[in-house]
Amino acid sequence: GQQVQQSPTSLVLQEGENAELQCNFSTSLNSMQWFYQRPGGSLISVFYNPSGTKQSGRLTSTTVIKERRSSLHISSSQITDSGTYLCAMELWSNYQLIWGSGTKLIIKP
Amino acid sequence: EAAVTQSPRNKVTVTGGNVTLSCRQTNSHNYMYWYRQDTGHGLRLIHYSYGAGNLQIGDVPDGYKATRTTQEDFFLLLELASPSQTSLYFCASSGRGSQNTLYFGAGTRLSVL
Repeated sequence: GQQVQQSPTSLVLQEGENAELQCNFSTSLNSMQWFYQRPGGSLISVFYNPSGTKQSGRLTSTTVIKERRSSLHISSSQITDSGTYLCAMELWSNYQLIWGSGTKLIIKP
Repeated sequence: EAAVTQSPRNKVTVTGGNVTLSCRQTNSHNYMYWYRQDTGHGLRLIHYSYGAGNLQIGDVPDGYKATRTTQEDFFLLLELASPSQTSLYFCASSGRGSQNTLYFGAGTRLSVL
């Protein structure tokens, strides 16, 4: 079936280090979205990225459809970046989102 | 700013109890969704709707009913709650089903004892 694999499951970094989060998907997709979730909190859209590279401040998303992968890069991480990052792929067939299980990011001072 | 409001924020009920979770969006969006989030499973779609009176079945619909009374309001009903339905529930809206991001509510934490 359709699957989205996120890696790593968790990531602990020192403040100022860069973070690299990955999503790999097993089927054709229409687009990829990235969301940020605070501990116990709601989800906020970070990127809607069907293909190519998008940047917003310290965050960069790159989606390569042919290779069935998407990445989220956080440069110069800050403590406030801590939380869970989820990716979701949109299917061609019915436009529904298939979600990854998330990467829990912890930034230490 | 897109807004999705869920109520209640927390709910505790007993096995066999009835629960209604409410969601209102003021985004003028057509699509609304109910998800549950459990550790190790990510987000799973329960039901969704693309307009008032419309209901579509998601991936994990068993034990749940939903009703979209207006464009703004979407309700999730658990008529005979079970402990397996203990979860964090999110409502979301989007402007259309394809190529459009989702706006989420703050979530409802439900415990079924």
